[in-house]
Amino acid sequence: DAGVTQSPTHLIKTRGQHVTLRCSPISGHKSVSWYQQVLGQGPQFIFQYYEKEERGRGNFPDRFSARQFPNYSSELNVNALLLGDSALYLCASSASGDIQYFGAGTRLSVL
Amino acid sequence: AQSVSQHNHHVILSEAASLELGCNYSYGGTVNLFWYVQYPGQHLQLLLKYFSGDPLVKGIKGFEAEFIKSKFSFNLRKPSVQWSDTAEYFCAVNAPNNDMRFGAGTRLTVKP
Repeated sequence: DAGVTQSPTHLIKTRGQHVTLRCSPISGHKSVSWYQQVLGQGPQFIFQYYEKEERGRGNFPDRFSARQFPNYSSELNVNALLLGDSALYLCASSASGDIQYFGAGTRLSVL
Repeated sequence: AQSVSQHNHHVILSEAASLELGCNYSYGGTVNLFWYVQYPGQHLQLLLKYFSGDPLVKGIKGFEAEFIKSKFSFNLRKPSVQWSDTAEYFCAVNAPNNDMRFGAGTRLTVKP
């Protein structure tokens, strides 16, 4: 079975641009969560979606938004990119919302 | 708000040495506890988890962790480490229906 897949794997943007990151959960998983991992730190929670509804939101500005589609895949959008948004963005899926399975991440560099 | 503290930023051990990585959390209610591992160049993988029951839980690759409720701790242990255990280890906590909080991670280097 395929694990959590994320695309793209790497992305380079400039300040002020917009970015969309994509995630496909493990088949049968209805919950998707997004995390930001800055070098040297643990993942920081951004959003959780379950059955297309937002279940949780971390302490991130409104420039960050997400949605979940009927097939349970998800997109994370970041507007007006800042240098500080450079990070590894992780997607995790779960069947019940407890045990989360992570993808390899999207490495975003903002220049 | 929940927070997770991992006491050691970088641990260096020789093969066959014993390992204990500390993790403390701040949350007064019922929590689920996790240890995740990230091997070089790989994604985060679940090592072990605690939801309820026996406070000593066993995970993959010979790892175990003990939940001590009175100390708000969930320390990770392994009696004898191997070079292949070199990785970054993250403790994580989530209360039911809440977001998951991760510690800053502990980088383990095992010298052959």
